[in-house]
Amino acid sequence: DTEVTQTPKHLVMGMTNKKSLKCEQHMGHRAMYWYKQKAKKPPELMFVYSYEKLSINESVPSRFSPECPNSSLLNLHLHALQPEDSALYLCASSQDWPGAVNQPQHFGDGTRLSIL
Amino acid sequence: QQQVKQSPQSLIVQKGGIPIINCAYENTAFDYFPWYQQFPGKGPALLIAIRPDVSEKKEGRFTISFNKSAKQFSLHIMDSQPGDSATYFCAASMDSSNTGKLIFGQGTTLQVKP
Repeated sequence: DTEVTQTPKHLVMGMTNKKSLKCEQHMGHRAMYWYKQKAKKPPELMFVYSYEKLSINESVPSRFSPECPNSSLLNLHLHALQPEDSALYLCASSQDWPGAVNQPQHFGDGTRLSIL
Repeated sequence: QQQVKQSPQSLIVQKGGIPIINCAYENTAFDYFPWYQQFPGKGPALLIAIRPDVSEKKEGRFTISFNKSAKQFSLHIMDSQPGDSATYFCAASMDSSNTGKLIFGQGTTLQVKP
């Protein structure tokens, strides 16, 4: 079992729907990440939060909207997605930075998203 | 310069064999090199990591060898077992970026036959 919990595990939605992915960690980590992973490909970084503030947006389309309500929770709000957005969405967390030497990222098991 | 090149793309070994997965990088500013193991339907799990001041690191049956001058590092799995069948990703990042951003290799699918 991972220490980063993601819900739901599977999500099927139409292109006009609005849904949210949730991620929770209780390891006291202050950096949290969203990744997108296509089949047989490595994870691609989407967003990074540090101390609940968005610090990196990897030019992600605005139909993906991240939110970090507190140090343990990370949400990804989805709206008007396209079929090519179907993928595994992974959340990860790590010890706080800047200043910290590179800390391991701990991944959840992801949400498998299918866009109809 | 931000790429990490991983090979081979897939690998099949017999139980007890020693699969070796190689990664190469260009950016000498990289200073942290983790390996992740991913099973189908699961997220990547950190396996082992190394920094450039160390040439080798072992954790159980997993060993990382690091060659700073060649800008290469590799993962060896000793006495491989069918349960090691998974996709393995190498990655690299740099402290100075203050972002925690990992640059992943393309992955290696390992199959260990009984």
